[in-house]
Amino acid sequence: KAGVTQTPRYLIKTRGQQVTLSCSPISGHRSVSWYQQTPGQGLQFLFEYFSETQRNKGNFPGRFSGRQFSNSRSEMNVSTLELGDSALYLCASLPSGLAPDTQYFGPGTRLTVL
Amino acid sequence: AQSVTQLDSQVPVFEEAPVELRCNYSSSVSVYLFWYVQYPNQGLQLLLKYLSGSTLVKGINGFEAEFNKSQTSFHLRKPSVHISDTAEYFCAVRETDSWGKLQFGAGTQVVVTP
Repeated sequence: KAGVTQTPRYLIKTRGQQVTLSCSPISGHRSVSWYQQTPGQGLQFLFEYFSETQRNKGNFPGRFSGRQFSNSRSEMNVSTLELGDSALYLCASLPSGLAPDTQYFGPGTRLTVL
Repeated sequence: AQSVTQLDSQVPVFEEAPVELRCNYSSSVSVYLFWYVQYPNQGLQLLLKYLSGSTLVKGINGFEAEFNKSQTSFHLRKPSVHISDTAEYFCAVRETDSWGKLQFGAGTQVVVTP
């Protein structure tokens, strides 16, 4: 099976712009979670989607949003970018989360905000 | 609220020597426990997990960890490290009812020298 894929791998934006990141989970996995990784704050949970519904949400401002499609692919959007949004954004997929499952991570999207 | 503490931010170790990475957590409910490894410019790779059952769990690349419920710890060990084990290691906790939401520790950078 192919692993979790994320596109694009690298992105450079300027302050005030918006950005959309994409994540394709492992085939058959229905849950997708997003994490932000920065040197200062470490790995922080953004949100999780399961069957096109947000099931969990972290403590991030409303500028961060996401969605999931019927094929389980997920996108996250950040509007009005700030310098502090520069980070590695990781997504992870789970089969369903109904049983004790393991999350598998993608390679991440490196976002740089200038 | 749950929290995860990795007691060492950096661990230098000589090749073929043993290494132990310490992880303590706090949670008011039952948890699942994970160790992930991150190589430079890559995503997270699962090393091992504790979901239930035997408290000693074995993972990939010769790593093992022991779950200690009374001490709320999940320390990672390897009896003999290789240069290729140089990476950052993350302990993570997921509450059993929190689906795809992982709480990560701050990470431990392991540097293996000849």
